Amino acid sequence: DIQMTQSPSTLSASVGDRVIMTCRASQSISSWLAWYQQKPGKAPKLLVYKASNLERGVPSRFTGSGSGTEFTLTISGLQPDDFATYYCHQYNSLFPWTFGQGTRVDIK
Amino acid sequence: QVTLRESGPVLVKPTETLTLTCTVSGFSLSDDEVGVSWIRQPPGKALEWLAHIFSNDAKSYATAVETRVTISKDSSNRQVVLTMTNLDPVDTGTYYCARTSHYGDYRYDYWGQGTLVTVSS
Repeated sequence: DIQMTQSPSTLSASVGDRVIMTCRASQSISSWLAWYQQKPGKAPKLLVYKASNLERGVPSRFTGSGSGTEFTLTISGLQPDDFATYYCHQYNSLFPWTFGQGTRVDIK
Repeated sequence: QVTLRESGPVLVKPTETLTLTCTVSGFSLSDDEVGVSWIRQPPGKALEWLAHIFSNDAKSYATAVETRVTISKDSSNRQVVLTMTNLDPVDTGTYYCARTSHYGDYRYDYWGQGTLVTVSS
């Protein structure tokens, strides 16, 4: 299966900061990658799909980029509601799908 | 309004078989492009994708569980069922079902609230 490696595992930041997290695939997945936000006790919420497409209703401060094996999620101007764990998910139809191990964004 | 709701036992003994049901509303499992996955999350750990059933009834499984897991659907009853055999305490976690609705672009646009399953004797 394709391994998805997220870094960092934990990111400490302040409100207003620009934060960048990375997801690396063990082999090319083209652009078949989504990013989800999860808060404690809740189901994940879709933020970005096909690497760079913002889901309807998601604030524009979230930006996804990348293709192949390297992907990033950027939050420009971190808001109090953004403190959560973020997961990448590869869904290339040629392989079983997999999630990364998550990046937790907490308050500095 | 699209909703998914997971149901099943809260406590299961090791070596037993787990059967979880995802009941959907607001859409049909017979719709073209609609699929449903099962995803789990051990306490305090990451999400783990388990299985997916496509609109044409094709199925895909994670390699780590493919010998123990079966996914199926009953469109008339709006249900997707996950069966997992030979349970172990490491299978403890919250189990989610989630919907995909775009052919070829399998992002999850709706999730259930999850159901916690504990495997213990």
